[in-house]
Amino acid sequence: KQEVTQIPAALSVPEGENLVLNCSFTDSAIYNLQWFRQDPGKGLTSLLLIQSSQREQTSGRLNASLDKSSGRSTLYIAASQPGDSATYLCAVWEGGSNYKLTFGKGTLLTVNP
Amino acid sequence: DAMVIQNPRYQVTQFGKPVTLSCSQTLNHNVMYWYQQKSSQAPKLLFHYYDKDFNNEADTPDNFQSRRPNTSFCFLDIRSPGLGDAAMYLCATSMLGRGYGYTFGSGTRLTVV
Repeated sequence: KQEVTQIPAALSVPEGENLVLNCSFTDSAIYNLQWFRQDPGKGLTSLLLIQSSQREQTSGRLNASLDKSSGRSTLYIAASQPGDSATYLCAVWEGGSNYKLTFGKGTLLTVNP
Repeated sequence: DAMVIQNPRYQVTQFGKPVTLSCSQTLNHNVMYWYQQKSSQAPKLLFHYYDKDFNNEADTPDNFQSRRPNTSFCFLDIRSPGLGDAAMYLCATSMLGRGYGYTFGSGTRLTVV
């Protein structure tokens, strides 16, 4: 059974700092991995999608990497801003006949002005 | 913009009174999902439709039902809501075989009084 772990559970940083969020998964046979952002009381916004054949994806100040063999992904946020404060969720899709996304519990990020 | 729309954003229902949450999509994705998310927890898959084929998760209570009358719409019916069913309900879509990833709606926050 796939399990996804995110470390740390919470992170507080001053504005402008670069930071890394970690995600690990137990079964490396994944189809893709997706990072989401969730603001309090809101739905999930997709940030980056990495296919199993890819090593990384970039969007603006965000960069996500994937090391399938070791079961790890990282989300790098450059020059953090207070508006980046949110919960960041990592999820893996095993593909095939298994349509389910397996989520980690998320990292609650607070960026202090 | 193509998107996933959930209505209502907030729903208050009485204990035991049936309630229906709705989801529509303009993405023409073939899979639609309903997730339940309780405070500070990872989203939990309740069921999904692949086209018209309904797939229930083994641990989804019988109290939860779903309907997908066409490609664009999917409904979540809670027959007799209990206090423990208060949660954020998230609708998502994906296009199987295309590797597009998941797209989520903004969620419906259900309160049971």
